[in-house]
Amino acid sequence: EAGVTQSPTHLIKTRGQQATLRCSPISGHTSVYWYQQALGLGLQFLLWYDEGEERNRGNFPPRFSGRQFPNYSSELNVNALELEDSALYLCASSLEGTGVGYTFGSGTRLTVV
Amino acid sequence: GQQVMQIPQYQHVQEGEDFTTYCNSSTTLSNIQWYKQRPGGHPVFLIQLVKSGEVKKQKRLTFQFGEAKKNSSLHITATQTTDVGTYFCAGENTPLVFGKGTRLSVIA
Repeated sequence: EAGVTQSPTHLIKTRGQQATLRCSPISGHTSVYWYQQALGLGLQFLLWYDEGEERNRGNFPPRFSGRQFPNYSSELNVNALELEDSALYLCASSLEGTGVGYTFGSGTRLTVV
Repeated sequence: GQQVMQIPQYQHVQEGEDFTTYCNSSTTLSNIQWYKQRPGGHPVFLIQLVKSGEVKKQKRLTFQFGEAKKNSSLHITATQTTDVGTYFCAGENTPLVFGKGTRLSVIA
């Protein structure tokens, strides 16, 4: 069974540009979560999508947005990039109720220069 | 909102020594999950605790859930270099709220 896949692995952008990150969940998982992991700040919750709807968002500005497609894959868009947006962006999927926990992808390392 | 605090932030141990990380929540948790992130890797689910006072073991790892379901601990007996990484606890409150983690380094 394929795990959670994220693309691209690395992304370098210039301040002010837009970045698009993609995530494919494990087959059968309907929930997709996005987390930001900046150096020394742990895992900060960004967005949660389930069944194509945004269910919750963390304490991030509106320039962080995303969507979930009918096949449950998801993309995260970050507009007007700032230097402090440089971080590892992790996507996770889950099948709630199984107690299995979240399965994370390998992440996208975004560097803003 | 829910907050999950972990201590210590860093721990350096000699190979063979024991290691413990503690997790405390500001609210009662329905369950708690533990994850491990190796250097350069992504978090990997280790275990979920659900019941008050629950204790679970995975080889040299022992996980405990407090009686009040507001704290938890992870204890590693006789650490090995393969235990290196950051250990996160996370409170079940969809979406998961993660602690900042405890970074373990093991000196051979």
